[in-house]
Amino acid sequence: NAGVTQTPKFRVLKTGQSMTLLCAQDMNHEYMYWYRQDPGMGLRLIHYSVGEGTTAKGEVPDGYNVSRLKKQNFLLGLESAAPSQTSVYFCASSYLGTERTPLHFGNGTRLTVT
Amino acid sequence: KQEVTQIPAALSVPEGENLVLNCSFTDSAIYNLQWFRQDPGKGLTSLLLIQSSQREQTSGRLNASLDKSSGRSTLYIAASQPGDSATYLCAVPQETSGSRLTFGEGTQLTVNP
Repeated sequence: NAGVTQTPKFRVLKTGQSMTLLCAQDMNHEYMYWYRQDPGMGLRLIHYSVGEGTTAKGEVPDGYNVSRLKKQNFLLGLESAAPSQTSVYFCASSYLGTERTPLHFGNGTRLTVT
Repeated sequence: KQEVTQIPAALSVPEGENLVLNCSFTDSAIYNLQWFRQDPGKGLTSLLLIQSSQREQTSGRLNASLDKSSGRSTLYIAASQPGDSATYLCAVPQETSGSRLTFGEGTQLTVNP
């Protein structure tokens, strides 16, 4: 059982470049989330989805876009990368909302923007 | 705005010791409190979820308690082992923010053989 899988694991971008982070879950979870983790800032929610075809903004959505075309996949896009987006990005999923069920995390993508 | 604090930021103990990790939150209007474990270079693993109506939850050597009115939770680890070395984070979904979890910054635990 793979759980939550993120690709790629590492990426280096130059300022202004674009990229897409991929997240896939095989647990038939309705909810999916993108977080970033930074030293001294903890984990912060970027965007989330409560089901196929839906997306919503989290705490720090600026500079990112997301899409949930299929229930099992949640994509995070950076249209024009900035050094401030250097971080570790985590995808997570839950069967229902976090008010009722726990989160399951992927192993993260370490992104460096130079 | 909900704030979650974990003290201490780091803790080092000898193997076999029982220990307590602390988590405090400022807004008691929460659905539940969740404890996670994070190993270096890895994602978070869910350990325990305590609903707001519960006072404690147990899994193996782990016991988590919740005092919603005072804004506190503790994670008790019995008979610690070197394999318990990791960062432990707590998080709360606030009633007014739906599925948004607010995380603490974690306690980095080292269990020495």
